[in-house]
Amino acid sequence: EADIYQTPRYLVIGTGKKITLECSQTMGHDKMYWYQQDPGMELHLIHYSYGVNSTEKGDLSSESTVSRIRTEHFPLTLESARPSHTSQYLCASSPAAHSEQYFGPGTRLTVT
Amino acid sequence: AQSVTQPDIHITVSEGASLELRCNYSYGATPYLFWYVQSPGQGLQLLLKYFSGDTLVQGIKGFEAEFKRSQSSFNLRKPSVHWSDAAEYFCAVGGVAGGTSYGKLTFGQGTILTVHP
Repeated sequence: EADIYQTPRYLVIGTGKKITLECSQTMGHDKMYWYQQDPGMELHLIHYSYGVNSTEKGDLSSESTVSRIRTEHFPLTLESARPSHTSQYLCASSPAAHSEQYFGPGTRLTVT
Repeated sequence: AQSVTQPDIHITVSEGASLELRCNYSYGATPYLFWYVQSPGQGLQLLLKYFSGDTLVQGIKGFEAEFKRSQSSFNLRKPSVHWSDAAEYFCAVGGVAGGTSYGKLTFGQGTILTVHP
């Protein structure tokens, strides 16, 4: 059973605020990922990490940033939220690059 | 670049009927293939995966999928659908070692399944 957690589950925030979406996993996975998903659409990879102090941008350009100081923790930060950032953000982890990914429940972000 | 196409945006079936969800991929070699299911407001749950070997793979909840290299397809099937199967289903392809997509998943647009009683 995969144990990957995201907080908050829902967030409504005003334009210009700084926000951090939390993602933690207890499985010791090296690989972690952030996806953005708009309603009825596919998932787009925005950031990934293959280990501590390693982060890369994904296929979809994003104004967010990530950090990986600890294996189990992969937070995503938006310095100044805008309405265009309104979306669902899904975090995932994987034990190996060629393996399946385990997903958290997601954070639904609304920027007003 | 790898890509995934799920031709059916929305499928409606009656409870007890059989189900087939289509997935076509584009990739230069045999990729890793996955089917995930997403209930409203939730993350994705892995149904099954194909890495190599037997082209018919069994998953959880009574689902199976068949990899057909000649058709670049990985269709998901279930012989008898239950009302609890109503959800959105995503096909995904993962790149193999040595490629630029290694370690990443590319998802299709998803197919929403509605089950009528």
